Amino acid sequence: EAQVTQNPRYLITVTGKKLTVTCSQNMNHEYMSWYRQDPGLGLRQIYYSMNVEVTDKGDVPEGYKVSRKEKRNFPLILESPSPNQTSLYFCASRTSGSALQPQHFGDGTRLSIL
Amino acid sequence: GDSVTQMEGPVTLSEEAFLTINCTYTATGYPSLFWYVQYPGEGLQLLLKATKADDKGSNKGFEATYRKETTSFHLEKGSVQVSDSAVYFCALNSGGYQKVTFGIGTKLQVIP
Repeated sequence: EAQVTQNPRYLITVTGKKLTVTCSQNMNHEYMSWYRQDPGLGLRQIYYSMNVEVTDKGDVPEGYKVSRKEKRNFPLILESPSPNQTSLYFCASRTSGSALQPQHFGDGTRLSIL
Repeated sequence: GDSVTQMEGPVTLSEEAFLTINCTYTATGYPSLFWYVQYPGEGLQLLLKATKADDKGSNKGFEATYRKETTSFHLEKGSVQVSDSAVYFCALNSGGYQKVTFGIGTKLQVIP
């Protein structure tokens, strides 16, 4: 089954404790992206990657890092989480070439930073 | 820059009522337009899309027509069901750019 898998689904942690949210897709997609979803703000893009070793900032990259060492994986790293990063996070992927293709989303990761 | 405007809701309807969720946009060039749906506890799924002016996207009884003259892409369904309760996102992509711009999402509640 074609899917985007995020882990963990839920995490409560404390300010300053480094954390990583993993994202993996099994569709051989070149393009992957991270979003955060906040009430009243909708989805905002954090980072995206066009292919292995190619990443770029989205609209709200501050406080986040990403890496793309393998095609299937695109982890999101919070080096020093802060309470304003409490949010619902989604990973997505699609084929590259045309940005007109729809994205496939994971089920989300709800982070609470205390 | 690109932007998408839609009401946040919630929109509450009785089962079998007619649904309209408005979406207007500003964009450079000739964008493609999308509606995504998010069911409770899940990620977003593509509902329908339209890639050029006057195109009509349709799926699962939902429809939306790409109106360039009014820069709109309103979502409609003739008879909603309780199972349609979800958050609906309008989105656009301006061709050569790799970023999809989303609206804030409209929550739909359908009551029996």
